[in-house]
Amino acid sequence: NAGVTQTPKFQVLKTGQSMTLQCAQDMNHEYMSWYRQDPGMGLRLIHYSVGAGITDQGEVPNGYNVSRSTTEDFPLRLLSAAPSQTSVYFCASRAKPTEKHYGYTFGSGTRLTVV
Amino acid sequence: AQSVTQPDIHITVSEGASLELRCNYSYGATPYLFWYVQSPGQGLQLLLKYFSGDTLVQGIKGFEAEFKRSQSSFNLRKPSVHWSDAAEYFCAVGASGGFKTIFGAGTRLFVKA
Repeated sequence: NAGVTQTPKFQVLKTGQSMTLQCAQDMNHEYMSWYRQDPGMGLRLIHYSVGAGITDQGEVPNGYNVSRSTTEDFPLRLLSAAPSQTSVYFCASRAKPTEKHYGYTFGSGTRLTVV
Repeated sequence: AQSVTQPDIHITVSEGASLELRCNYSYGATPYLFWYVQSPGQGLQLLLKYFSGDTLVQGIKGFEAEFKRSQSSFNLRKPSVHWSDAAEYFCAVGASGGFKTIFGAGTRLFVKA
């Protein structure tokens, strides 16, 4: 089925470890974003991309890196995990913004715990 | 800067009763406005969106929302709530043609029998 696929679904890291959260979409969407969701804070934008080779920072980019080498994939890298990065991470994609195709399609999320 | 406020952290309604979830936004120009729903353990699903034109927009699952520019509000409504509507609801604002969509903190809806 078409959509946004995130892996892994769950992950436990030790402080200082690095890892990559994977995100892939098969809808040929140009726009992709990473959000983190924390209780009482809604979703906060980490990084976003408007096409292959183009990325930019969102509201809370520190401690995270992204790259976009293909239209389909948008991995999120944690450089040195910290307990403050314990969260649920969502990847989302959408087509170029037109009135018909503006809403995001979200993945099912990755629940990350840093101990 | 864009911002979204959802004043109610949680709301409880009886099944069959009407529902209104509040959303206020701050944005300098005409915003693109959205409501999303999140069921437990799932990602977010788009319920409806407003770009321009008719200020009352219809969405999926029987939801509607009304844009009121004078009040900077975009409240979500449903005439009769079903138990399956229990979920968390997020209001969001996006800049016209822009890339950043900002979400509110969410309102959790509980439905009692």
